Amino acid sequence: SQTIHQWPATLVQPVGSPLSLECTVEGTSNPNLYWYRQAAGRGLQLLFYSVGIGQISSEVPQNLSASRPQDRQFILSSKKLLLSDSGFYLCAWSVPSGRVNEQFFGPGTRLTVL
Amino acid sequence: AQSVTQPDIHITVSEGASLELRCNYSYGATPYLFWYVQSPGQGLQLLLKYFSGDTLVQGIKGFEAEFKRSQSSFNLRKPSVHWSDAAEYFCAVGYSWGKFQFGAGTQVVVTP
Repeated sequence: SQTIHQWPATLVQPVGSPLSLECTVEGTSNPNLYWYRQAAGRGLQLLFYSVGIGQISSEVPQNLSASRPQDRQFILSSKKLLLSDSGFYLCAWSVPSGRVNEQFFGPGTRLTVL
Repeated sequence: AQSVTQPDIHITVSEGASLELRCNYSYGATPYLFWYVQSPGQGLQLLLKYFSGDTLVQGIKGFEAEFKRSQSSFNLRKPSVHWSDAAEYFCAVGYSWGKFQFGAGTQVVVTP
């Protein structure tokens, strides 16, 4: 069966520090991968998505970047964190079929920027 | 542009009572519709989905949802809620090859 992991589970970082959040998927090949940010009371905002190694699409301009160095690994990064980067970050994957499929979510990372 | 509206930010329901969560969407083509549930500090779990066919779909945990094209709605229901149903619920529309638009969520509180 497929599983999705995220780490760390929680993170407290000072403003201006770098960030690296990791997401890995097991039990599937060439998944579509997604990074979302969830702010309180505001639903989920799609940040990045990827259809393959090295292929990253950004949904909104921001202080973050994403990379996919391996087929089932998706990394969210920042060189200098802002207060507004605080939130709950969720990674998700879906089957790459060229049509809409359900997305499966990881447990999330709670990021607090102080 | 795609949009999803969940009109109720917060709902309080008594244990054993019925629950209905509203979802309205705006999408020009055939919608792919989903309901997810999120417990505090956790990821999202898929409750059910609608792609085509029967407009009443059954999901996990005793939930069902009805797609009404004329009303652009996909409301979630449960006949009798349990204390464990307290969570946040998200409606989503899938478009393109797999990008989703989520609603802002409805927080459900279950009272004894």
